[in-house]
Amino acid sequence: EMVLTQSPATLSLSPGERATLSCRASQSVSTYMVWYQQKSGQAPRLLIYDASKRATGIPARFSGSGSGTDFTLTISSLEPEDFAVYYCQQRSKWTFGPGTKVDIK
Amino acid sequence: QVQLQESGPGLVKPSGTLSLSCAVSGGSISTTNWWSWVRQSPGKGLEWLGEIYHTGSTSYNPSLKSRVTISVDKSKNQFSLNLSSVTAADTAVYYCARVDYFYYYALDIWGQGTPVTVSS
Repeated sequence: EMVLTQSPATLSLSPGERATLSCRASQSVSTYMVWYQQKSGQAPRLLIYDASKRATGIPARFSGSGSGTDFTLTISSLEPEDFAVYYCQQRSKWTFGPGTKVDIK
Repeated sequence: QVQLQESGPGLVKPSGTLSLSCAVSGGSISTTNWWSWVRQSPGKGLEWLGEIYHTGSTSYNPSLKSRVTISVDKSKNQFSLNLSSVTAADTAVYYCARVDYFYYYALDIWGQGTPVTVSS
């Protein structure tokens, strides 16, 4: 059974800072990793697919990288609207990670 | 553009059946996409329940397979979720979502979600 682990659980940063979020898969998923953003009271929103490709309308400050078992979501300079929870997901039974909350320091 | 909207009772009694529908607007349900249900509870995070194609083909989460049924009504351009023998552990926000297997290979469009509480 595929398990996704995300770290850290919470990331406290200030607007303008760089955010680096990690997702680790229990077995290799090649580059088949997806990232979502979820703001409070809203549905998840697709950010990144195929580990590094931005979905339509996603700002360039969001980038993804990685392959195999280790993946990273980077937000180059946090905007006020970026404070949210971020989830990674892979294809096997659409398994989600537990999420990383990015909150304001 | 395609939009999804969940509907159904917000309160279900223990041992009963949770029934929700998802209306698809702005496009046909009979496309190359699949249509899925995902739930979110504080205890278990985001959990995929299953998905359906407009032909009626389905795929379910093995952990819930015995209790989940997803169906499609092309005439109404909607699909539905039935979850039987519910307990308090099934209390969650339930989302419907579109699965794009051709471009994103991801859940690219989501409904706003509907909260369901299991309680007597």
